[in-house]
Amino acid sequence: DAKTTQPPSMDCAEGRAANLPCNHSTISGNEYVYWYRQIHSQGPQYIIHGLKNNETNEMASLIITEDRKSSTLILPHATLRDTAVYYCIVRVANAGNMLTFGGGTRLMVKP
Amino acid sequence: EAGVAQSPRYKIIEKRQSVAFWCNPISGHATLYWYQQILGQGPKLLIQFQNNGVVDDSQLPKDRFSAERLKGVDSTLKIQPAKLEDSAVYLCASSLGTSPRDTQYFGPGTRLTVL
Repeated sequence: DAKTTQPPSMDCAEGRAANLPCNHSTISGNEYVYWYRQIHSQGPQYIIHGLKNNETNEMASLIITEDRKSSTLILPHATLRDTAVYYCIVRVANAGNMLTFGGGTRLMVKP
Repeated sequence: EAGVAQSPRYKIIEKRQSVAFWCNPISGHATLYWYQQILGQGPKLLIQFQNNGVVDDSQLPKDRFSAERLKGVDSTLKIQPAKLEDSAVYLCASSLGTSPRDTQYFGPGTRLTVL
């Protein structure tokens, strides 16, 4: 499995962009990068995923480097409700396609 | 579209007792997953079903944990007998299939406390 490395915690000011980095230097060519977040006492929430190209949806943008060894999740205008643990996951392309969660980044959005 | 439903939301039992959790996946989702999340850690996969068949149960402690999805829709996870270290949140997730493009959606979880 390709493993990911994320900073354990980050702070962001409300209204500013939150940029969450993830290193996945051993990723294979057919493995997707997924981002989930988990707000306290809730189940993980899907945010976005990508293979090679940058992706954007109503929640966030995902920027994947050309060599695919790292990516950045961008929350363009962070709010207090974005305070959560953010998980970067490389989705293994086998029969199971399970998600292997690491420690994630605890993002604290401050007023 | 309704999400993944789980019940109960909370359960407190004493060690050596039995407990069961129920999950109803998103309609049409063939793949169902059970995860265990211990406080302060990320979720860990216990078992994965494709319809009513097991795809991966390599992380399931089979001496005390069992799971079934008899009709390929709802699923139950059972612990018998429970140990103190089983205190955790049990999360159910579902996806259309097992392709890496098939997003997993999670339920709210069941918080189990074993005393």
